[in-house]
Amino acid sequence: DSGVTQTPKHLITATGQRVTLRCSPRSGDLSVYWYQQSLDQGLQFLIQYYNGEERAKGNILERFSAQQFPDLHSELNLSSLELGDSALYFCASSVEPAGVRDTQYFGPGTRLTVL
Amino acid sequence: DQQVKQNSPSLSVQEGRISILNCDYTNSMFDYFLWYKKYPAEGPTFLISISSIKDKNEDGRFTVFLNKSAKHLSLHIVPSQPGDSAVYFCAASAGSLSGSARQLTFGSGTQLTVLP
Repeated sequence: DSGVTQTPKHLITATGQRVTLRCSPRSGDLSVYWYQQSLDQGLQFLIQYYNGEERAKGNILERFSAQQFPDLHSELNLSSLELGDSALYFCASSVEPAGVRDTQYFGPGTRLTVL
Repeated sequence: DQQVKQNSPSLSVQEGRISILNCDYTNSMFDYFLWYKKYPAEGPTFLISISSIKDKNEDGRFTVFLNKSAKHLSLHIVPSQPGDSAVYFCAASAGSLSGSARQLTFGSGTQLTVLP
């Protein structure tokens, strides 16, 4: 158990809909990262937050947005969903945003299926 | 353009033998490399890392080797055990230009199967 929690574990929805994925980081971690893993692909970095502020953006679509709240949990909002958005979405957390040896610890993921 | 490549989607080894997983990268700005292990229905779990100032790091049965000139790293597992069967992801990290953030770039993973 990494200490990172994600809800829900599974989500099935239809095209055009909007969903929210939730992540609680490990106790004491200030940085949260979101990744997408599509079928047979590696994890693609989406976005990073540190202590409530956006720090880095990766290949995140404009239909996707995220935020980190004062209690440090984070939400990833996916809107106008398309079939291709079906994937595993992972959240990771770490203590610092830029330490060289800053290891990211991953949650169990949310499996999103868009029908 | 894949900056981190794991060219072998799968690898099978006999229990007790050595497992060697390979990873190549193209971005010379990467200065920190990690290996993660992933079991089905779980998130990736950190395994071992290496800084670009080293060429080897060892932790129990796991050793990571880094060849910067070849932009290649490998993970050695000795001896391999059936419980090591999982997907192994190589990841690389570089600091941002502003120094305020780091990103992990992952390879596509290698499924290791250790046969009893």
